[in-house]
Formats: sequence, C-alpha cells, structure tokens
Amino acid sequence: DAGVTQSPTHLIKTRGQQVTLRCSPISGHKSVSWYQQVLGQGPQFIFQYYEKEERGRGNFPDRFSARQFPNYSSELNVNALLLGDSALYLCASSIDRPKNTEAFFGQGTRLTVV
Amino acid sequence: SQQGEEDPQALSIQEGENATMNCSYKTSINNLQWYRQNSGRGLVHLILIRSNEREKHSGRLRVTLDTSKKSSSLLITASRAADTASYFCATFRGDTGFQKLVFGTGTRLLVSP
Repeated sequence: DAGVTQSPTHLIKTRGQQVTLRCSPISGHKSVSWYQQVLGQGPQFIFQYYEKEERGRGNFPDRFSARQFPNYSSELNVNALLLGDSALYLCASSIDRPKNTEAFFGQGTRLTVV
Repeated sequence: SQQGEEDPQALSIQEGENATMNCSYKTSINNLQWYRQNSGRGLVHLILIRSNEREKHSGRLRVTLDTSKKSSSLLITASRAADTASYFCATFRGDTGFQKLVFGTGTRLLVSP
C-alpha cells in the first residue's frame, strides 16, 4: 500500500506569491492534518480535516487555508508568502479522528520563499 | 507551545552502542508516539505507547512510559550508522472534539561507524 504522498517535494516562490501544496492520505484514512516545521524545531500544527470538514486550526494567520476533497486528499494554500513561511510542510494521515491512533506522515514539501 | 521536550538535544555515539533519549510532557495523555526524521525529510512513525502501558518493544527499539513523572524514554540498542536522525516524541492535545499532535524539539542522534 502506498503511504502518504505529498507534492511537490520542493518549491521555490517569491515573496507575495501564492502556493498550493497537495497531500494524498493512506487508502482508507479519512483524516488529514497539516504541520509546518521550520529548521531546528519540531512540527507545528496548522490544520486538521476529517470527513471533509475542518476540525481544528492552529495559530496561523488567515493567509493559510486548506480543504479536503471527497476522496480525502487535501490541499494547503498559503497566500501572500513571507520569507518566514519557508519551511518543511508535512501532511499526516490517520484512519479516524487523530486521538488514540497512529498518525503517519508524508515526506513533506520543502518550501523556500525568496 | 511545545508539549514535550526531548533530552538530550544532541547525542553522539559509536556504532554498536546503545542510545537513550528522553521526553517529558506537561499534560495528561492517552498515548505518546515516537517518530524519526532523516535529514529534514518526512517523519517515520516508530512506536505508539498507550497510557496504560509501561514498556513496549519493536525490534531494536524499547520505549518506556512513566505517567507519574510525565516522561518517556526511547532506547535504541546496538545502534547503526543508519540510525543517524532526529527523534521526536509527540502527544495528542485538545478536547474530545479535536486533538492535534504536539511535538517536542527533538534529539539529534549521530552514530559514527
């Protein structure tokens, strides 16, 4: 079975641009969460989607948005990019609402804002 | 804010030695998970230990959990150069409607041949 897949793997954008990151969860998993990891730190929670509805949002500005599609894949959008948005963006997949179950991560998208 | 804190921040050992990493957390938990991350790539799930478990094994990995001290440890036995990575502990935080994984800052492990 394929694991969590994310695309693209690397991306370079300039300040002010917009970016869309994509995630396909493990087959049968209904929950997708997004995390941002800046260099030298642990991942920070951005969004959680379950059954196509937003279930939780982290402390990120409104420039960050996301959605989940009927096939449970997800997109993360970031508008008006800032240099500080440069980070590894990780998608996590869970079979159910992530509470007492394992969360499996993709390889991430490395976003560089110049 | 970080829920967990790993200790030490960095660890350097020789192949064949054992590596022990510790994690402390602040709130009550249902479970705790350990992840490995190679060179800034994705997180690999290593093991989940539930709050009613005290110890769990997976191959060369041994995880302990002490809920009274709000701490966990990850032991890697007979380490290999391929074990070189950053290791994170993570716990769920939130209410019954929604919970998010909260990570520590990680331990960077270097295993030299």
